[in-house]
Amino acid sequence: GENVEQHPSTLSVQEGDSAVIKCTYSDSASNYFPWYKQELGKRPQLIIDIRSNVGEKKDQRIAVTLNKTAKHFSLHITETQPEDSAVYFCAASQRAAGNKLTFGGGTRVLVKP
Amino acid sequence: EADIYQTPRYLVIGTGKKITLECSQTMGHDKMYWYQQDPGMELHLIHYSYGVNSTEKGDLSSESTVSRIRTEHFPLTLESARPSHTSQYLCASSEEGRGKSEQYFGPGTRLTVT
Repeated sequence: GENVEQHPSTLSVQEGDSAVIKCTYSDSASNYFPWYKQELGKRPQLIIDIRSNVGEKKDQRIAVTLNKTAKHFSLHITETQPEDSAVYFCAASQRAAGNKLTFGGGTRVLVKP
Repeated sequence: EADIYQTPRYLVIGTGKKITLECSQTMGHDKMYWYQQDPGMELHLIHYSYGVNSTEKGDLSSESTVSRIRTEHFPLTLESARPSHTSQYLCASSEEGRGKSEQYFGPGTRLTVT
């Protein structure tokens, strides 16, 4: 089955700096890669996703890049703000498996004012 | 408002008790999922369903069972709770269709088995 590894497990950045989280996946058949944000005590929520036919996607201060050859994808947050502090999860799935998601271990991001 | 609901939100129960965690969604989604998550840690898929009368075990071995008799309802049952079952349980649903893959999560049930 699919295996997703996520790094780093914790990330502390100064407000205004950029944050980068990296994930690798094992199954070359995976074709959908979402990122979820989970604030303390809240439910995970989708913040951005990318499909395997696209190399990069951007939405305001967040962007995701995908390298299918190397089987890794990354989340980039620019101009970080205190409200970006949360745990971020990457995931991978394949349509043939009914979009069942395999999650990475999570990255706890702390943005210091 | 279309949403996904879980009850109870918090449950403290003794070892050996039978419990059912409720999950309902009003979004008309075909697919539903149960995850186990220790706070702030990785989400582990324990059960999923692609529609009525369809249930499958997930990647994490679990002593729980599920049923899907109605599209909107996906309850999870523990026949005999143990301290090792202490965790947060998240229910999720997603829509079937072209380009639609987002999973929507419920607020979770935090279970403590004493």
